[in-house]
Amino acid sequence: NAGVTQTPKFRVLKTGQSMTLLCAQDMNHEYMYWYRQDPGMGLRLIHYSVGEGTTAKGEVPDGYNVSRLKKQNFLLGLESAAPSQTSVYFCASDRTSGRPNNEQFFGPGTRLTVL
Amino acid sequence: KNEVEQSPQNLTAQEGEFITINCSYSVGISALHWLQQHPGGGIVSLFMLSSGKKKHGRLIATINIQEKHSSLHITASHPRDSAVYICAVRGGAQKLVFGQGTRLTINP
Repeated sequence: NAGVTQTPKFRVLKTGQSMTLLCAQDMNHEYMYWYRQDPGMGLRLIHYSVGEGTTAKGEVPDGYNVSRLKKQNFLLGLESAAPSQTSVYFCASDRTSGRPNNEQFFGPGTRLTVL
Repeated sequence: KNEVEQSPQNLTAQEGEFITINCSYSVGISALHWLQQHPGGGIVSLFMLSSGKKKHGRLIATINIQEKHSSLHITASHPRDSAVYICAVRGGAQKLVFGQGTRLTINP
C-alpha cells in the first residue's frame, strides 16, 4: 500500500495564480483532511470530507476550495493564490467504517510558496 | 488560550537521558494522539490512547482523563529521536485539534 500520497511536493506560484493539490489514499478511508502547517503554529484544518461527495469547512477555509468526487481522492484548490497561503500543506485520512477512533495517516506534505 | 498546550516548546538533552513531553487540553476528548514529525517533514502516528498507558519500544505514553493531561516519555534517548513531537486531541466533533509541537534535540 502506498498509504497517503500528495502531488506536487513543491510548488512556487505568483500572486493571483491558481493551482490544485491532489491527495490520494489507498486504505479505503472514509474521512480525509487538508491541513496547513505554519512556523510556530500547530497544524490547522482547512477543509475535510466524511465521505465521497461530501466536504465541510475546517478552521481556516477562506481562499481554498475542495472536492471529493472519488473516495480515494481529495483535491485542494487555490483559485487566486496570496502570499499568506505560503505554507506546508498536509493531507491525511482516517476512519474505517464502524470504528469511532482511528489512527490518522498523513501524506508527505506539499511545500507551497506564493510570491 | 489554545485548546491543546504542550510543554516544553523546545528540549535539548544528551544521549541516554530520560525525556518527558507534556500535553494539557481543555476540552472533552474521545482520544489523544501523539505524532512525530522528522526533520524531513513527514508525520507519523506514534500512539492513540483514550485511557491508561501504552508502550512501544522506548516510547511510553500516558493519559490522565480527570486531569486532562498526557505525557510522552522516551527512555534511553538517542540522536535519531530528534524530531518534533505533536499532541493532538479528538473532541466531540471528531476532528483533531493539534498542539504547537515540542522540538526535541538529542545530542550524542
